[in-house]
Parts: sequence; C-alpha cells; structure tokens
Amino acid sequence: DTGVSQNPRHKITKRGQNVTFRCDPISEHNRLYWYRQTLGQGPEFLTYFQNEAQLEKSRLLSDRFSAERPKGSFSTLEIQRTEQGDSAMYLCASSLGPSGGSRETQYFGPGTRLLVL
Amino acid sequence: AQKVTQAQTEISVVEKEDVTLDCVYETRDTTYYLFWYKQPPSGELVFLIRRNSFDEQNEISGRYSWNFQKSTSSFNFTITASQVVDSAVYFCALSEQSGGSYIPTFGRGTSLIVHP
Repeated sequence: DTGVSQNPRHKITKRGQNVTFRCDPISEHNRLYWYRQTLGQGPEFLTYFQNEAQLEKSRLLSDRFSAERPKGSFSTLEIQRTEQGDSAMYLCASSLGPSGGSRETQYFGPGTRLLVL
Repeated sequence: AQKVTQAQTEISVVEKEDVTLDCVYETRDTTYYLFWYKQPPSGELVFLIRRNSFDEQNEISGRYSWNFQKSTSSFNFTITASQVVDSAVYFCALSEQSGGSYIPTFGRGTSLIVHP
C-alpha cells in the first residue's frame, strides 16, 4: 500500500512562469485535498475533490490558481503567472470520505516546495 | 479569531523528560473532529490521532497520550519520556463541516526540540 505521492518535490521558477504540480492519492481514496504551507504556519486549505468533482474552490488564493482531477485519480494544481509570494510548500492529502469518522482522516503527501525567483 | 490556538511556538526539552503540547480550539458546531499531526524535518505530515466531538475519552498510545476536554475546548498532547526522534513540529487541527465535508483548520504548530 503506497501513500500519497507528489511530483516534483522541488520546483524553482522565475516570476511570471506557470507551474504545475501533480498529486497521486492513496488508491482507494476518493477525496483529494490541496493545501499551501508557508514558513512557520500550519497548512492552509485551498480546494478539494470528491472523485472528479471539485466541491470547494472558494479558498483558492486567486484566479491564478486552478486544480483538476479529470479521471478521479491523480490531480494537478496549476499556478499561472507565478509571483514571489507564491513561494511555499504545496501539500496534497487524500481521504476515504464521505460519511465522517475514520473516513475523514486525511493522509498527506511529502509536498512540493516551490521557490519563485 | 483563530479557530485553533497552539500558544507554544517552541518547546525545548532534554531526552526522557515528559512534555505537553497545548491546543485550544473554537467552534459552534456540535459535531467536529480534532486531529494531531507530526511534521518531521523531512516535511511530510504524519497522522497521529483523530477524536470526534462526542468521544471525550482520553487515549494512550505507547508514549503518546491525549487529553480531550470539551469544557475547556482543549485537546492536549503529552509525550512521556521524550526521545530525540520526537523532534518535529506538531500541529493540532479542527475539522468542521463545510459543504458536505469536514475541512480542517490547522494551528500554527509547536516546534518540539528534544536534546540528547
């Protein structure tokens, strides 16, 4: 049983470039979540999917951020026209969901660390 | 107002000491979940425990124990006989229902440093 995987683990880009991150959840999990974590802070929720449906996206940081999960398996998070303030760790998590209880426990991937120069 | 407060930014102890990490939360929901996660230097958050709002039983798992008190809205975490490998940032999180799912709000974390 493999855990949540994320690629790449590190990304350095120049301001104004677009970047895309990939997350592969635990195989039987139908919920997938994206978070951003900046230095000295806890993870900040961005968006989540149940299967291929994006059920909450109001907390995406700006319209430069978008996420997809086209076949209900892996997901991508794209940041367009990156800014230096986008530098952070981007975390993905998955859970069995819904119905509460243990199905709500989220398991996290190792994250993608983004540095915008 | 912060929904999850971890007032201790950093705690430094010597190996074998006991240490308690505090977590105070704020919610109006009657059904919610509380979590603790560990984030070692490698960066990956490791799930430690989940508690639902209806279960106030304290829990012990090896050297770890958790004290959930609804009366004070606290969910504190104690490590007994700390070890160097316990050094990490520990996050407390509160999950409240939002649009059909429970979305966690994390505290700012407590950095625990265990010296040999």
